[in-house]
Amino acid sequence: SQQGEEDPQALSIQEGENATMNCSYKTSINNLQWYRQNSGRGLVHLILIRSNEREKHSGRLRVTLDTSKKSSSLLITASRAADTASYFCATVGSSASKIIFGSGTRLSIRP
Amino acid sequence: DAGVIQSPRHEVTEMGQEVTLRCKPISGHDYLFWYRQTMMRGLELLIYFNNNVPIDDSGMPEDRFSAKMPNASFSTLKIQPSEPRDSAVYFCASSFADRPRGYTFGSGTRLTVV
Repeated sequence: SQQGEEDPQALSIQEGENATMNCSYKTSINNLQWYRQNSGRGLVHLILIRSNEREKHSGRLRVTLDTSKKSSSLLITASRAADTASYFCATVGSSASKIIFGSGTRLSIRP
Repeated sequence: DAGVIQSPRHEVTEMGQEVTLRCKPISGHDYLFWYRQTMMRGLELLIYFNNNVPIDDSGMPEDRFSAKMPNASFSTLKIQPSEPRDSAVYFCASSFADRPRGYTFGSGTRLTVV
């Protein structure tokens, strides 16, 4: 079964609002990553947070990690139409090199 | 760098035919991954290589699927014989070093088996 599960499955917000997506996972991790996928395209790596980190920022992105709850959140501030995409969390296990992806959140930004 | 290059972008084939998907990873990357994406099952890791050696093929669905990496700059995923349920988008990704910091994905091959 997949390691990460995103919540919600779909999210529609007004342009300019903030978007928050959540990810839960099951086993211990080395790091957790977030990816974006535009329709019909490959995945693009957004940000990585290590298991000993609690929060990380990159531009309009803010990621948090709570290893005690085995959960992470991705916040996109001041959303834009170009942020419309699917967002996936992905985990790298403590003893593995491979990344396991969650089921994704479909984000739609309304103009 | 041109990124991870996959070919073809689209492939339509008849059931029973052999299909070969190709991938050229980013130069210098020592890990290569093959994923399959469908609406029902999401992104599934099929197999990955390290330094051209297959490390984990537990995600390969069945014996009809095989993957090779004859050198550091080329990998193939072959399906023989193909079936309609193999229809999906197949992605190749590469990364550098162990405990990858992030993968670089190709644009994918959309396979349709009729």
